[in-house]
Amino acid sequence: DAGITQSPRHKVTETGTPVTLRCHQTENHRYMYWYRQDPGHGLRLIHYSYGVKDTDKGEVSDGYSVSRSKTEDFLLTLESATSSQTSVYFCAISDVSGGKGETQYFGPGTRLLVL
Amino acid sequence: DAKTTQPNSMESNEEEPVHLPCNHSTISGTDYIHWYRQLPSQGPEYVIHGLTSNVNNRMASLAIAEDRKSSTLILHRATLRDAAVYYCILNSIQGAQKLVFGQGTRLTINP
Repeated sequence: DAGITQSPRHKVTETGTPVTLRCHQTENHRYMYWYRQDPGHGLRLIHYSYGVKDTDKGEVSDGYSVSRSKTEDFLLTLESATSSQTSVYFCAISDVSGGKGETQYFGPGTRLLVL
Repeated sequence: DAKTTQPNSMESNEEEPVHLPCNHSTISGTDYIHWYRQLPSQGPEYVIHGLTSNVNNRMASLAIAEDRKSSTLILHRATLRDAAVYYCILNSIQGAQKLVFGQGTRLTINP
């Protein structure tokens, strides 16, 4: 299994509070991603990183920010959590594939409940 | 992003082969066909991928139509542990590598 951990694994917070989720990898992969998964939806990409300090928006980036100061860590921040951000959040990593279609490896997920 | 179409659900029996179809009629020449699966309460895991030729690995086989507008994931001998949601995803090598997950196929395996 790829070395990906997410913390915390579960969190309950209140509307309006800031929340930071952490993804940590030990694979030295270049790319890191944050997805969210809601009932009735497949995974949707929030933000991704293609290197230290290099990030870009995904499909559902509103209300989220990210930072990557080290290769191994990718942080997802909800500046002011809302109930609509209640979800399961997955981190994923991948490496440079040389144009052969990359494979992503996913973490175990973080369940976030915003009350 | 190119789109895929999969049946919402399928059911099979343990120790029998399972064929999971996927249609991707708008696939471009640079799109790889990826399959991931998600077991209950876990993150997705990679199953197999291919470009034009059929592919085999220890988990499954991938059969790709000659025109590449459809593909089939084949589990040769399903076990109860194969019960999961299976996602067929097109992944272009052009631009950013961003997976677009659809609804997938929920596979139920009967003992």
